[in-house]
Formats: sequence, structure tokens, C-alpha cells
Amino acid sequence: KQEVTQIPAALSVPEGENLVLNCSFTDSAIYNLQWFRQDPGKGLTSLLLIQSSQREQTSGRLNASLDKSSGRSTLYIAASQPGDSATYLCAVDNYGQNFVFGPGTRLSVLP
Amino acid sequence: EAGVAQSPRYKIIEKRQSVAFWCNPISGHATLYWYQQILGQGPKLLIQFQNNGVVDDSQLPKDRFSAERLKGVDSTLKIQPAKLEDSAVYLCASSLEVIGSGNTIYFGEGSWLTVV
Repeated sequence: KQEVTQIPAALSVPEGENLVLNCSFTDSAIYNLQWFRQDPGKGLTSLLLIQSSQREQTSGRLNASLDKSSGRSTLYIAASQPGDSATYLCAVDNYGQNFVFGPGTRLSVLP
Repeated sequence: EAGVAQSPRYKIIEKRQSVAFWCNPISGHATLYWYQQILGQGPKLLIQFQNNGVVDDSQLPKDRFSAERLKGVDSTLKIQPAKLEDSAVYLCASSLEVIGSGNTIYFGEGSWLTVV
């Protein structure tokens, strides 16, 4: 059974700092991995999707990497802004198991 | 393009009462999901529909939860009778095809349930 963990559970950084969020999964037989953002009281917004054959994806200040063999993904946020404050969740798409989500990392970027 | 619509946004009920949530997915999306998200946790899949057929309901507590997707479009999730531990956000999501084909999954804003 696939299990997804995220470290750290919470992170507080000053504005302008670069930061890395980590996601680990136990079963490397995944189809793809997706990073989501969730604002308080809102649903999830997809940030980046990495296919299993890819190593990374970039969108603006966000860069996500995937190392399937080691069961890890990282989300790198460059030059963080207060507007980046949210919970970031990763989810793996397992063959035949649908999306399995991690518990999320709660990010606070302080002005 | 309109997103995934859910209603009601907020609901407070007493334990043992019933509640129903409605979801309208993005037009043309074949796959619809209901997730339960308890505070501080990631979403957990309750049920997945492909058109109007159930693909996965292995984590749906069938003694109290039911869901249907008539005509392969909108869907209703019902809880009867509710328990205190059902307090959570119920997220509806949709994707163009079944997850595993590389499609992005789109979420609604959720229906927040508090059982007192």
C-alpha cells in the first residue's frame, strides 16, 4: 500500500528566501506525481505535474523534481513571497490505486 | 472555463442527522472523485466514478455513506447517520480521463461539514 509523507509539517521563512519542500513515497511504481497548493478554506490547486518518465518540471518560481527510484520529490520555491503562504501537498498517481496524498507542508512566508 | 462546483459550502448538523453534498464537475470530464479531508491531513479518496459507473469505492464507509452520479454528470454524496468523526471537508474533483493517463485533476472548493 502506497504511503506518502511530507517533511517538514510546517515551515516559516522570511520573505525572499529560497526553500525546499520534501515528499517521499514508499512504492516507486507510480504513473506521475503532482504538487498542489491549498489556501485556507479553499480546494486544491494543481501547481505542477511530473510524469514518471520526467525528472523535473518548472513553472515560474516553482521547480519540482522527481527521483522515482528513491521515492522522493522536492518542490523548490525561489524568492518566496507572502502570497506563497499556503499548505502544499504532493500526491502520487499509482497504477490502479488512484491518487494518494501526503499530509501537506504548511508554509508561512513572513513579510 | 467553469471549475468544479460544490454546494453547500458549509453545513453544521447534529450527530445522527443526515446531510447531502452536490458536485458538478468541469464539463466534459469523465472522471469524478469525492475526497474526505480531515483537518491537518491530506485528502482521502472516498469514491471514484468513470462516467456513471463506480471505479473505486473501497474506502467509502458504506454503512453510512452513499454516492451516485446519475447520467454521468453531477454527483451527490450522502451521509446518514452522521457521526462526530465525519467532521471534515468533502472535496469533489474531476479529470478528463481516469487518473493514470497524465491528466490533471481539478478540485472544487469543498463542502465543510461540522457534526456536533
